[in-house]
Amino acid sequence: NAGVMQNPRHLVRRRGQEARLRCSPMKGHSHVYWYRQLPEEGLKFMVYLQKENIIDESGMPKERFSAEFPKEGPSILRIQQVVRGDSAAYFCASSYDDRGSNQPQHFGDGTRLSIL
Amino acid sequence: GQQVMQIPQYQHVQEGEDFTTYCNSSTTLSNIQWYKQRPGGHPVFLIQLVKSGEVKKQKRLTFQFGEAKKNSSLHITATQTTDVGTYFCARWDSNYQLIWGAGTKLIIKP
Repeated sequence: NAGVMQNPRHLVRRRGQEARLRCSPMKGHSHVYWYRQLPEEGLKFMVYLQKENIIDESGMPKERFSAEFPKEGPSILRIQQVVRGDSAAYFCASSYDDRGSNQPQHFGDGTRLSIL
Repeated sequence: GQQVMQIPQYQHVQEGEDFTTYCNSSTTLSNIQWYKQRPGGHPVFLIQLVKSGEVKKQKRLTFQFGEAKKNSSLHITATQTTDVGTYFCARWDSNYQLIWGAGTKLIIKP
């Protein structure tokens, strides 16, 4: 299956710990997007990356959050010193072309992050 | 970017009844995309509309894009239990971000 792969599916952390969320895009896709979803709400854009480049991180909090998409390996969304408010579902999406082409986005199953 | 307003937030229907969700914008939309998210699942792309007045059908689903390109709707005829989920509209804004509506949750009454 060449779909978008996210892991882990569920992640539990205590306040102050670090959370690392991984995303492997669909085969042939080099554009990755991270979204956050709170219960009963729509998705909120966080960051858009291409290989080795952050294109737009305007939706990501400036502190504690970081993202990367290295030349080799999956994209990583990293949350340091997690707080209860970070509890949410984090979805990764990928597309073949850049978002200026208004391409549909293909989503992974998400990581449900719970902070104790 | 400008938000897209999606209504209603929830719709309870009997199985076999129709369902409609509406998406509205105060500004002209270059395009609109629709996604479905099953409970506990991830959003799945359904369709993209780009032309003024466009109407597209997928089996029991009918998608419309308004003549002024400021609104869109998704109509499901004769709902089935497999239709349960949340339906989102989303638009690309001038900063090339995909802006999502809050979604309409389709609930089938027992």
